[in-house]
Amino acid sequence: EDKVVQSPLSLVVHEGDTVTLNCSYEVTNFRSLLWYKQEKKAPTFLFMLTSSGIEKKSGRLSSILDKKELFSILNITATQTGDSAVYLCAVRGGGSNYKLTFGKGTLLTVNP
Amino acid sequence: EAEVAQSPRYKITEKSQAVAFWCDPISGHATLYWYRQILGQGPELLVQFQDESVVDDSQLPKDRFSAERLKGVDSTLKIQPAELGDSAMYLCASSLTGTGEYGYTFGSGTRLTVV
Repeated sequence: EDKVVQSPLSLVVHEGDTVTLNCSYEVTNFRSLLWYKQEKKAPTFLFMLTSSGIEKKSGRLSSILDKKELFSILNITATQTGDSAVYLCAVRGGGSNYKLTFGKGTLLTVNP
Repeated sequence: EAEVAQSPRYKITEKSQAVAFWCDPISGHATLYWYRQILGQGPELLVQFQDESVVDDSQLPKDRFSAERLKGVDSTLKIQPAELGDSAMYLCASSLTGTGEYGYTFGSGTRLTVV
């Protein structure tokens, strides 16, 4: 069974801090890893990673994948209160339906 | 920007009643997913449609849940009878293809409270 484990489960920081969120996975026929941000509504897409070692970047957020060690990290620099959310990691496997399996998420709270 | 539409946004129902949720995916998206997200957990796939056909419903509690996508466009998820443990966010998502290689778009969800 496919498995995605995120750590930490929750994190409290001050504005301006840099945070690193972790995601490790076990999946059959790995296809891609996705990061989502979820405020009190639907998840919004951040990144899709398919290749090891290639950093994806969007503003203050960046992410990288290590397919050998089966993990990914999401970095947020110079955090702002608007970054407060649950960050979800999901892995797309192979099989008949290319199933997307989510982790439990990391709840990030950024205090002013 | 194209969106996945869901309704209602919120639903409160009594235990043992029937409840239904509706989803309209992005136009042209062949694959539609229903996820359930319990508070503090990640979304869990309930059912996946490719056009009008179910391709995965292995996690759908079939004694009380049903889902249909009759014309391969919009979809309805039904629970009958609702139980207290069904309280959760029900998310619909769609993707252009069944492989998900072009990503997934989620709707705003329906938050169900069973009392």
